[in-house]
Amino acid sequence: AQTVTQSQPEMSVQEAETVTLSCTYDTSESDYYLFWYKQPPSRQMILVIRQEAYKQQNATENRFSVNFQKAAKSFSLKISDSQLGDAAMYFCAEETSGSRLTFGEGTQLTVNP
Amino acid sequence: DGGITQSPKYLFRKEGQNVTLSCEQNLNHDAMYWYRQDPGQGLRLIYYSQIVNDFQKGDIAEGYSVSREKKESFPLTVTSAQKNPTAFYLCASSPFTSGKEKLFFGSGTQLSVL
Repeated sequence: AQTVTQSQPEMSVQEAETVTLSCTYDTSESDYYLFWYKQPPSRQMILVIRQEAYKQQNATENRFSVNFQKAAKSFSLKISDSQLGDAAMYFCAEETSGSRLTFGEGTQLTVNP
Repeated sequence: DGGITQSPKYLFRKEGQNVTLSCEQNLNHDAMYWYRQDPGQGLRLIYYSQIVNDFQKGDIAEGYSVSREKKESFPLTVTSAQKNPTAFYLCASSPFTSGKEKLFFGSGTQLSVL
């Protein structure tokens, strides 16, 4: 069974600084998709960024970027110029077969003013 | 506006009772999913459906049942066999049955046991 591991239950960052959230996964597939979702206190799940495993280039979305290391099965999320609105629970997820997602246990990010 | 509607927002279950959580989407998506979230934990897949009148068990299907009689609707029943039903339940959908499309999530239902 696929597993997704987020080793940092909690992280904090100063406003305007950069923070990196870690994620490792385990899959035997050669082509798959990886995601970072954000869950603010409203508990609405919001897609932050998506990476296709066959693409060498790391995905970026404005202040959010990933460091995708396929051989190491690592998929970290970097948030630049952190804002108070970035405070949330962040989940890493891997697509398993049939578009099922396996989620990590999450990292709670606090942004300090 | 297109989206996924979950109801109710809060639900209380008495012991021995079955309860049904509603999930409706008007996005014309083929695939629909039910996830369970316990406090401080990630989402775990209960059931999913890729086509009308067909569905598959996820990782924690015991004590739950679903139906997919219409493309737009994917209700989840929490049966009395589910001994620890207190959790936040999220419904999601996606347009294709491959991972290249993101999941669209509803706003969730908090289920508690009286």
